[in-house]
Parts: sequence; C-alpha cells; structure tokens
Amino acid sequence: SQTIHQWPATLVQPVGSPLSLECTVEGTSNPNLYWYRQAAGRGLQLLFYSVGIGQISSEVPQNLSASRPQDRQFILSSKKLLLSDSGFYLCAWNRDSQPLWAFFGQGTRLTVV
Amino acid sequence: EDQVTQSPEALRLQEGESSSLNCSYTVSGLRGLFWYRQDPGKGPEFLFTLYSAGEEKEKERLKATLTKKESFLHITAPKPEDSATYLCAVQAGNTPLVFGKGTRLSVIA
Repeated sequence: SQTIHQWPATLVQPVGSPLSLECTVEGTSNPNLYWYRQAAGRGLQLLFYSVGIGQISSEVPQNLSASRPQDRQFILSSKKLLLSDSGFYLCAWNRDSQPLWAFFGQGTRLTVV
Repeated sequence: EDQVTQSPEALRLQEGESSSLNCSYTVSGLRGLFWYRQDPGKGPEFLFTLYSAGEEKEKERLKATLTKKESFLHITAPKPEDSATYLCAVQAGNTPLVFGKGTRLSVIA
C-alpha cells in the first residue's frame, strides 16, 4: 500500500533562518507531488506541484522554492524565512490515472518568530 | 479561472439534526470532484470522488451528490465525532486540485 511521510510535524524558526521540509512517498512510482499551505480562513493554497523529477511548477510567487531530487521525494525550502511564512504545510500525491484523488501527509506546523 | 466556493463557512448542529454542506464550482472539463474531512492539526482524509452529474456516493452518515454546478454533502443524524472541517476540491483537465475554503462543522451532543 502507498504511504506518504512528511516531517517534521512542528517547527519553530526565527525570521531570516533557512527552511527545509521533506516529503516522501512509498509504494508507488512517478507520482504527482504537491505542496500546499493552509492558513486560517484561507483554505488550502497550492504552492508547488511536480509531475516528474526536476519538474517544478510554482503557483504563487513567494519566499519559498521546491525541488524534486528523486521520483518520490519532494522538498520545500526557503533561504530566509519571513513571519508571513508561518502556517500549516501539507504535502500530497496523486496519479494521473484512476483514482484521481490526492493523498495527504499529516502536515508540518511552521511558526516563524 | 477555476473556482470552488463552499458554504456555509461554519455550521453548528445538534446531534441527530441532519443538514447539507454546499460546494459550487466553475471549471472547464471537470475530471473529478472530491470531498475530504480534516481534523484539527491533521492532513485531509479522502471521503468521496464524484465524476459526473447525477452521481451519488454514500459512506455511513454521509452522502455526496453532484450536479453540473455544485455538489452537496448530506449529513444524516450527525454525531459529535462527525465534527471536523469538510473540504471540497475539483480537478479539471491536467491541472492540480483546486480546493474550497472548507466548512467547519460542529455537532453538539
């Protein structure tokens, strides 16, 4: 069966510090991978998605970047965090073939102080 | 631009009081509409996929329906453990999932 791992679960970082969140998927190959951010009252905002190794699409201009160094690994990074980067970050995966729905990780609560 | 709007933003029900959540969407070439349940501090958990107008899916006290413009999530005789945020998402063509802001449901014993 497929599983998705996302870590860390919680993170408190000072303003200006770097960030690296990692997500890995097991039990499938060539998944579509997504990073979402969820802020109170704003719903799930798509940040990046990837359909293959080294292929990254950015949905929202921001202080963040993403990379996909391996087929089932997706990394969210920042060189210098801003207060506005605080939020709940979710990684997800799906396939273009049936079923279409996405499976989510358990999320990372990031607080920038 | 694809859009998904959920209403109401929040809903408070007494245990056993049935109601419906709404998800209206504007997309071209709908491939699927998805309902998720999200508990506080957790990732969304998949509930249903609907692919075409007229389709219905059921799971315990939940029933999802789909028309050409909207979907409803009907909750029959809810229990306190049904309290959660319910998210609706759509996928059109080869574009990523687009989510609504969710409906926060509270069921009071």
